[in-house]
Amino acid sequence: QKEVEQDPGPLSVPEGAIVSLNCTYSNSAFQYFMWYRQYSRKGPELLMYTYSSGNKEDGRFTAQVDKSSKYISLFIRDSQPSDSATYLCAPGLGYQLIWGAGTKLIIKP
Amino acid sequence: DAGVTQSPTHLIKTRGQQVTLRCSPKSGHDTVSWYQQALGQGPQFIFQYYEEEERQRGNFPDRFSGHQFPNYSSELNVNALLLGDSALYLCASSLAVSLSSGANVLTFGAGSRLTVL
Repeated sequence: QKEVEQDPGPLSVPEGAIVSLNCTYSNSAFQYFMWYRQYSRKGPELLMYTYSSGNKEDGRFTAQVDKSSKYISLFIRDSQPSDSATYLCAPGLGYQLIWGAGTKLIIKP
Repeated sequence: DAGVTQSPTHLIKTRGQQVTLRCSPKSGHDTVSWYQQALGQGPQFIFQYYEEEERQRGNFPDRFSGHQFPNYSSELNVNALLLGDSALYLCASSLAVSLSSGANVLTFGAGSRLTVL
């Protein structure tokens, strides 16, 4: 079993839809939880991160962590074609980030 | 404000050769980490440099080595290239002080795509 699991997709949804991207992890010691977005032929860019269970909102993006279930989610409201990218979750412990393989998201105009 | 810059963007090598990849961190950052990202996979941590020393290392063989210069820029060297070394090599910079107070917030460059034939 991998430490961090993500459905690779692709996940294809129409423009304007609410998108739910998910990760599961196995190490209960993780201290913080990050979401990065990676466009094709680019490096990952940080979307948001959170330390605790619960929700954190930033514009159209909401990160949700359930430590009891070891489950991480990223919700995107009013999805746009520019949101088409690969989304990587990365739980962290100290300097160490453990990366999921990413979910490829396609937003159809 | 320039972000993280990497060079070269693409390169092709043959098995057994050596390669050097270069990275300039984001202005104000003092820590550089290198990652290997195979197609369809998440980044894999190679090592981290701070104060010109390798501070942390992932599960990579000694063929992978690096250096950090006084201006915080960094190089990744890979010797005796194997076909399996073909990947996107990502450099990420951060502030050491931010890690001591919380999350390891990384700023990535666009990467160097290495193809080994």
